[in-house]
Amino acid sequence: AQSVTQLDSQVPVFEEAPVELRCNYSSSVSVYLFWYVQYPNQGLQLLLKYLSGSTLVKGINGFEAEFNKSQTSFHLRKPSVHISDTAEYFCAVLNNFNKFYFGSGTKLNVKP
Amino acid sequence: EAGVAQSPRYKIIEKRQSVAFWCNPISGHATLYWYQQILGQGPKLLIQFQNNGVVDDSQLPKDRFSAERLKGVDSTLKIQPAKLEDSAVYLCASSSNRDGRNQPQHFGDGTRLSIL
Repeated sequence: AQSVTQLDSQVPVFEEAPVELRCNYSSSVSVYLFWYVQYPNQGLQLLLKYLSGSTLVKGINGFEAEFNKSQTSFHLRKPSVHISDTAEYFCAVLNNFNKFYFGSGTKLNVKP
Repeated sequence: EAGVAQSPRYKIIEKRQSVAFWCNPISGHATLYWYQQILGQGPKLLIQFQNNGVVDDSQLPKDRFSAERLKGVDSTLKIQPAKLEDSAVYLCASSSNRDGRNQPQHFGDGTRLSIL
């Protein structure tokens, strides 16, 4: 079965600082990769996706992620975070059997 | 387009009672998912429908949980009887399908279930 590992359960960062949230997945052919954000008392919202093509993908709210096939990673980055980015972020993988797998989440806490 | 609708938003019941959740997916989305999200964890897939057929229910506790999507549109998830460990947020999601691959999921806001 596919596994998705988010190495950091919590990431504290000051406003306007850069941030990277890490995601690694077990090797598989033909995966699609996603990052979702979850604000309190809400469902998950798609931030960005990698389906094919350029390994650097840009999403909403200034986030981007880079697909690294050799390292089986899909880390999420933002060059300058805002207070409003405080939320929980989930990495997800769709494997070639059309099954989605989610990581355990990373809580991003942006401090003023 | 209208998003995934779920109701109720909150539900409080006592253990051994029954509860049902409702989900209306985005129009035209063939695939519907029910997830259980326990506090501090990522979503765990309970059941996946493709139209009105079950694709994956391997993690559904079938002795107490049931789900249906009779007309291939909206869906209900039922717990009977509820246990304390069922306290969680129940998320519904839907996705379309292109070239045989499921597309990104769209999530509802979830139902927060508390068992007393």
